[in-house]
Formats: sequence, C-alpha cells, structure tokens
Amino acid sequence: DAMVIQNPRYQVTQFGKPVTLSCSQTLNHNVMYWYQQKSSQAPKLLFHYYDKDFNNEADTPDNFQSRRPNTSFCFLDIRSPGLGDAAMYLCATSGPGTSLYNEQFFGPGTRLTVL
Amino acid sequence: AQSVTQLGSHVSVSEGALVLLRCNYSSSVPPYLFWYVQYPNQGLQLLLKYTSAATLVKGINGFEAEFKKSETSFHLTKPSAHMSDAAEYFCAVSVGQGAQKLVFGQGTRLTINP
Repeated sequence: DAMVIQNPRYQVTQFGKPVTLSCSQTLNHNVMYWYQQKSSQAPKLLFHYYDKDFNNEADTPDNFQSRRPNTSFCFLDIRSPGLGDAAMYLCATSGPGTSLYNEQFFGPGTRLTVL
Repeated sequence: AQSVTQLGSHVSVSEGALVLLRCNYSSSVPPYLFWYVQYPNQGLQLLLKYTSAATLVKGINGFEAEFKKSETSFHLTKPSAHMSDAAEYFCAVSVGQGAQKLVFGQGTRLTINP
C-alpha cells in the first residue's frame, strides 16, 4: 500500500543535542510537509517542500531545518532542542501538483521527548 | 485571511446518539474545506472534503457534512455514534498560492459514552 512512513515513532533526546526525524513516502507526491503538534492543539505547519523548493513558515524558529534529498525522503533537523520542542512531529504529503482540493496524507508521527 | 473555527473543544455523546461537530469558516472566496480525524498517537486521516461539487458531502465511517454558504458553516454529523468514533476531529480550510496549505481549527475531542 502507498503510504507515508515516519521513523522513529518515538524519539528521546537531551536538551541541546541535535536530533533528526525522517519521513518517506511511496505516493510520489510533489509536496511534503512538516507539522509540529503539541498536546491538545492543532497541527502547526513548520515548512514544506514543493519538489525541491523549500518554503519556510514565517514563525518557524531557526532551530528547525529540513532536507529533501529526493522525492521520497524528507528530514526534519532540530539543531538544539529545547524543552519547548517536545511534541508530536507529523509528516504529510500531497499531490499530484498543488491543487487546493488535494488531500494531505499524514504519517503516524514521531513523538519527541526532550530531557 | 481564510480561517475556520470549531465550536466546542470537547463533545460527549452516548453510543447510538447523533454526533454533531461544528465548524464555521471565514473566507472571501469559495473555500475548500476538509474534516480530518486523529486517533490517539496517530496521524490525521481524511474523513471528507468539500470542493463545490455538492453541498452534502459523504465521507468514510458514516460521517457526512453539509456546506451552508448562508451560515458559513461546514458541520460534521453522524446519525449513530459508535465507540470507535472516539477521537480528535479537525476542520481545515485549504489556502495557498503555489503549494496547498491547510489552516486547521483548534480541534474537537469526541467522547462516546457507553
């Protein structure tokens, strides 16, 4: 089945220690998104890639970076995690193209704990 | 700017009762609206979407939603609640030039009482 996969499902890191979360997709979609979701809140878009074009949200902290080496994979790097970065991180894809009525397909998420 | 507002952060119904989750939108152009469901510790899954083809939209798991322009609403309903419907529900509007982006409401947690 075509899907969006996130690894790991649970990640524990130490305050200030860099961490990378990964996302892969078998849908061959143009667009990949990263969301941060804190407890009892809606997902908050951090950034997205349209093919190789990176689009950062205005309020995304510089501490968050992303890489998309090819169509299938996308990574979220947190350079120096703080306690406030503990959250569920969701990857999503959409396509083909960029139509406003495209569905976004979400992965199961990675829950990040910062000690 | 386009936005959605979900009325009621928590809704509780009895098993077999009607489910009604409210969503109002704000948009100066015809909106594309979505309802997503999130089960604990999982990603979001699309329930249904409105794309102007029909005002009454049927989705998965027996859910449906009706687009009412006069009321700027897109409420989600299900005639008979099941225990498995307990989850968080998000209404969203699609925006963007270039890639599509979703603007989510704050979510409604649905609890089903036996």
